[in-house]
Amino acid sequence: DSGVTQTPKHLITATGQRVTLRCSPRSGDLSVYWYQQSLDQGLQFLIQYYNGEERAKGNILERFSAQQFPDLHSELNLSSLELGDSALYFCASTPGWGYSTDTQYFGPGTRLTVL
Amino acid sequence: AQSVSQHNHHVILSEAASLELGCNYSYGGTVNLFWYVQYPGQHLQLLLKYFSGDPLVKGIKGFEAEFIKSKFSFNLRKPSVQWSDTAEYFCAVNVAFISSGGGADGLTFGKGTHLIIQP
Repeated sequence: DSGVTQTPKHLITATGQRVTLRCSPRSGDLSVYWYQQSLDQGLQFLIQYYNGEERAKGNILERFSAQQFPDLHSELNLSSLELGDSALYFCASTPGWGYSTDTQYFGPGTRLTVL
Repeated sequence: AQSVSQHNHHVILSEAASLELGCNYSYGGTVNLFWYVQYPGQHLQLLLKYFSGDPLVKGIKGFEAEFIKSKFSFNLRKPSVQWSDTAEYFCAVNVAFISSGGGADGLTFGKGTHLIIQP
């Protein structure tokens, strides 16, 4: 158990819908990263938040957005869902602001299926 | 931008065999390198990482990796595998940005190697 929790574990929805994925970092960690894992693209970095502020952006679609709340949990919002958004979504956390040598601790993931 | 390639997508070995999983990255500057493992039904966890110093890095569970700068490689090795090593292995890299005091974006991962150890 990494100490990072994600809910829900599984999510099934239809095209065009909007969903919210939730992540709670390890106790004391201030940074949260979101990743998408799909069969064709592999594991891709989406976005990072540090202490409530967006710090780095990766290959995140405009239909996707995230935020980090004062209690440090983070939510990833996916809207206008398409079949291709079906994937595993992971979050990870680190203690600091995102120093390059930090170990990222990963959650168990949320499996999203878009029908 | 950096990229990572893992040569073997599927590897099948017998217990006690030696293991080497290839990882190459492309980036012209200084990188930090990681190997993560995902056991069936579990979260990704760090096996080992390299950012400076001795290019031979030892990790958990008897794994080690060697950074060869001239070859842009960071291959993972284990002298004798066990059935419990069956898992997905991911090589990853990030780049420290001098302008941000050593911060980095998220990790860039390879596509992964699915390792099956037969008893």
